[in-house]
Order: sequence, then C-alpha cells, then structure tokens
Amino acid sequence: QSVLTQPPSASGTPGQRVTISCSGSSSNIGSNYVYWYQQLPGTAPKLLIYRNNQRPSGVPDRFSGSKSGTSASLAISGLRSEDEADYYCAAWDDSLSAVVFGGGTKLTVL
Amino acid sequence: EVQLVESGGGLVQPGGSLRLSCAASGFTFSSYSMNWVRQAPGKGLEWVSYISSSSSTIYYADSVKGRFTISRDNAKNSLYLQMNSLRDEDTAVYYCARGHGDYVLLDYWGQGTLVTVSS
Repeated sequence: QSVLTQPPSASGTPGQRVTISCSGSSSNIGSNYVYWYQQLPGTAPKLLIYRNNQRPSGVPDRFSGSKSGTSASLAISGLRSEDEADYYCAAWDDSLSAVVFGGGTKLTVL
Repeated sequence: EVQLVESGGGLVQPGGSLRLSCAASGFTFSSYSMNWVRQAPGKGLEWVSYISSSSSTIYYADSVKGRFTISRDNAKNSLYLQMNSLRDEDTAVYYCARGHGDYVLLDYWGQGTLVTVSS
C-alpha cells in the first residue's frame, strides 16, 4: 500500500482533458512540494512536474500540476496517443524522512 | 549529455548479497545528490535510498534499512548500492537517479538493472 493514493487507471480520447489525483497527508503533500513522473512503456521514469506546478524544459504546456491541502492533481489537456503511460506522484514525507510515491495511474488514450 | 549507467544486477539466492553500481558522466557528479529507486515487475516505483553530494546525508526506505548501504565515490563518478540479506520482495529493476536540489526532484534516470532474488 502506497503512502500517496492515486487511481489505478484513467482514460480519455484524443483532444480531451484528463486529470489524475494524488492524495496524501499533512506529513507529505500537506507540507511539501509534489512532483509528477511519467513512465512510458518499457522506459525509465521521466520528471514531468516539479514543485507542484513547474515544468522542466521540454515538457509541453499541455501538462500542468496543482496542489491544494493534502491533495494534488495532474492535468493533461489536448490528450495525444503518445501520452499513454504510467504517471506517478511523489513527495517528501517528514515523518518517514523518505521520498514517497503514489501507486501510479495507467493512462489509456482510447 | 548526462548519462547514468547501472550495472551489477543478476540472479541471487535469498539471503545473498549483491552490489549495484551506477556510472555517471556528462555532469559534475560531485555536485549532485543521487538516489536509488526500484520497480518490482509489473508494480509501481519505490524509492530506496538517497545520498547527498558529499555523502554527509543518507536516507533509506524502511523496507531496506539495515540491509542496504548506499555510497558514492566522487573521484570515480560512481554511485553504489550494497544489498545484503536479500529477500524475494527485493526483486526489481533498480534505477539510479540524479537529484537536483529537492529530495524528490530526480531529473535524470538510468536505464535500470534487474535484480532477481530467487532460489
């Protein structure tokens, strides 16, 4: 059981907007930044969003992050077939002194 | 170009030991923290361990504390993970990842090395 809770799956059609939620607690999301990673099939994870809503260079602005209280969300607008991947949220947990990941959300583009 | 190349994975019996290495290139290794993150077959990501640039700060996941040891050699641009008392549940692809400022900001990842613990 992961410390951060994500839905196991999400789906959308091309062009649609989808959101993926990530729920935590006061010791992780509630007091620290949230990060999102994208893992395309058969590849290593890639940093997608850092410090709640910042995009690394090269990440399209179709991807956006937000945080409120002990929850966070990743939004993908203008969905494309190449967005089909696993998405993980992550945060530092002050109680555990550890990085904690969500269980991951498998995004399917229909 | 930043490159991280893991090695040392393989098949090991329960209770055995293995040492993973991660060779870094394309950046000033001694200026960055490093991490190990693993992924069991068909499962999600699990952070394993963090080491600061100077090795002064180290953290471990509870699941590996007391069994795994992270270390680095800045002169050799290398990161290591010594894994002892291995269990079936340690079977996973192990990734090394570069940290950038924040503990959770992992901006470059290697391709991973598979560790299989089985009798």
